[in-house]
Amino acid sequence: AQSVAQPEDQVNVAEGNPLTVKCTYSVSGNPYLFWYVQYPNRGLQFLLKYITGDNLVKGSYGFEAEFNKSQTSFHLKKPSALVSDSALYFCAVRPPTGGYQKVTFGTGTKLQVIP
Amino acid sequence: GAGVSQTPSNKVTEKGKYVELRCDPISGHTALYWYRQSLGQGPEFLIYFQGTGAADDSGLPNDRFFAVRPEGSVSTLKIQRTERGDSAVYLCASSLQGGSGYNEQFFGPGTRLTVL
Repeated sequence: AQSVAQPEDQVNVAEGNPLTVKCTYSVSGNPYLFWYVQYPNRGLQFLLKYITGDNLVKGSYGFEAEFNKSQTSFHLKKPSALVSDSALYFCAVRPPTGGYQKVTFGTGTKLQVIP
Repeated sequence: GAGVSQTPSNKVTEKGKYVELRCDPISGHTALYWYRQSLGQGPEFLIYFQGTGAADDSGLPNDRFFAVRPEGSVSTLKIQRTERGDSAVYLCASSLQGGSGYNEQFFGPGTRLTVL
């Protein structure tokens, strides 16, 4: 069975500093990986995805993530954090096999950017 | 364009009552998903529709939960004999296609269900 782990419940970072939100996964084969962000009282919004190709994926709002197969990780990063980046971030994974496969979400990491 | 909408935004009911939660997906999205999100948790998969049919209902916790999508657009999640443990935010998402897997899902704002 597939699973996603987000080891940090909360990450605090000063505005202007680089940020990293960690994600590791367990799935058979090469996964499809996603990051979503959830702002208060709003639905989840798609940030970026890794399907195949370049291990460094760039997404919305200046975010990027690096797929590391050997470490089974897909950490979310941003070079310079903004206060407006404060939100709840979810990593998600699904197996790559053909046809429909269920997406599994992590438990989320709350990012707090301190002015 | 319009995103995924869900109604009501909040629903308070009493234990044992029946509730219906509605989802309007993005026009043209054939895949529709229901998730349940409890406090401090990520979205937990409930059911997936491809068109009108439920292609995967393995996440429904028991037979009190049922969902329909009769015309391949709007979907309704139905919960019978509600229990306090059903209290959560119910999220709906849609995507262009479900089968390919690499299409991201677009989420609605959710319905917060409280069972007293």
